[in-house]
Amino acid sequence: AQKVTQAQTEISVVEKEDVTLDCVYETRDTTYYLFWYKQPPSGELVFLIRRNSFDEQNEISGRYSWNFQKSTSSFNFTITASQVVDSAVYFCALSEESSGTYKYIFGTGTRLKVLA
Amino acid sequence: EPEVTQTPSHQVTQMGQEVILRCVPISNHLYFYWYRQILGQKVEFLVSFYNNEISEKSEIFDDQFSVERPDGSNFTLKIRSTKLEDSAMYFCASSPGLAGDNEQFFGPGTRLTVL
Repeated sequence: AQKVTQAQTEISVVEKEDVTLDCVYETRDTTYYLFWYKQPPSGELVFLIRRNSFDEQNEISGRYSWNFQKSTSSFNFTITASQVVDSAVYFCALSEESSGTYKYIFGTGTRLKVLA
Repeated sequence: EPEVTQTPSHQVTQMGQEVILRCVPISNHLYFYWYRQILGQKVEFLVSFYNNEISEKSEIFDDQFSVERPDGSNFTLKIRSTKLEDSAMYFCASSPGLAGDNEQFFGPGTRLTVL
């Protein structure tokens, strides 16, 4: 069964610390896509990154980086030098084909609190 | 940049009333979705829609729910007789094509409060 696990419910760090958010997924498919979304207190879902199952290259975007490891079914997200504005709930999601469309399966989210 | 819009941003209703949540997907997109997020919980898939019919629906999407694309631009979610447990944020999403890497673009959400 498809599943996304974010074991960290809440993380608190002090500003400028690095923090890694964990995501572990389960899927039966060989072709799938992984995503990270940020949900600030205002409630909208802000797209951060998309990765397909054939591309295990890690990615860096500014202070954000992602580590995709197919061998451990993990897609972890690191924020370097965290800032107060990074405080939000972060969701990892898996997309795979189902009945002709690609629904997203979200993890339960990790609430990140960055303290000044 | 094109975006998915949703109206209203917040809807308050009495238990047992019907509500219609509206979404305008991105204009050249073909696949449409509704998701629900109960406060403090994860985002859950409700239904997907393609070619004017439901492609897949979750267990949550029971007979009280329906979706429609009435005029080729709007995509609506109707809850026939709301319950307290329907209180949640409802997100609409659209994507251009079938392949999984066609990212779903999410609207800002409608917060539904059932009293």
